[in-house]
Amino acid sequence: QLQLRESGPGLVKPSETLSLTCTVSGGSISSTSYYWGWIRQPPGKGLEWIGSIYYSGSTYYNLSLKSRVTISVDTSKNQFSLKLSSVTAADTAVYYCARQDYGDYVDCWGQGTLVTVSS
Amino acid sequence: EIVLTQSPGTLSLSPGERATLSCRASQSVSNRYLAWYQQKPGQAPRLLIYGASSRATGIPDRFSGSGSGTDFTLTISRLEPEDFAVYYCQQYGTSPALTFGGGTKVEIK
Repeated sequence: QLQLRESGPGLVKPSETLSLTCTVSGGSISSTSYYWGWIRQPPGKGLEWIGSIYYSGSTYYNLSLKSRVTISVDTSKNQFSLKLSSVTAADTAVYYCARQDYGDYVDCWGQGTLVTVSS
Repeated sequence: EIVLTQSPGTLSLSPGERATLSCRASQSVSNRYLAWYQQKPGQAPRLLIYGASSRATGIPDRFSGSGSGTDFTLTISRLEPEDFAVYYCQQYGTSPALTFGGGTKVEIK
C-alpha cells in the first residue's frame, strides 16, 4: 500500500528557507503514471497547490509562489523535496505531499506536517 | 488561472438529510476535470469524486457528483454521522497545475 511521509523542521525563522522531504514507500516514484506534488493549508484555511514534479525532473509551480519554490526528486531514494525561500508568517501551514494521478487529481496524501514561521 | 467558488460556506443539516454542495468555476473546466475531497479535522483530505462524477475506490454510493462547464455539484443523498466534514472541489483541467475551491463545511444542525 502506497504511503507518503513528510519530514523536516517544524519551525523556520522569517527570511530563511523552508525545506521538506517526502518519502514514498510501497510504490516507485519513477512510475510514469504519476506526478508528485506539494499542497499546503494555513491553519483554519483552505488548500493551496504549491507545485508538482515528474520523475524525470520536470516541474510545475504555482505562479504566485514560483519565484520562491524549488521542487526536486531523488529517484534513488524514492523521495522528492520542497524548498521555499524567504519565508514569512504567511507561509505557516500544514504542508502535504501528494501523488497526482497523471498529474490530475490527488489520489494519495501524506499525513501532513505543520511548519511554523516564527523567530 | 481558473478560480473555483464553493457555496454555501457552511451547510447545517441533520443526519439523514440530503446535502447539495456547489462549485462554480470562473471559466469552463475542460473535459469535466473536477474532483471533490472530504477533510475531517486533523486529517489529510480524501478523494471522493474525480472526472466530475466518478466515485473513487471505496467511496459509498450516497456520494455523487454532477455538472460540466462551469457548474458542478456534490450531493450526499442521506447524511451519515461520519459525513460531517469540510468538502473541497478541485479542478485539474490545467494539470498538473491544480486549483482548489475555498471549501464548504457540512455541520450538524
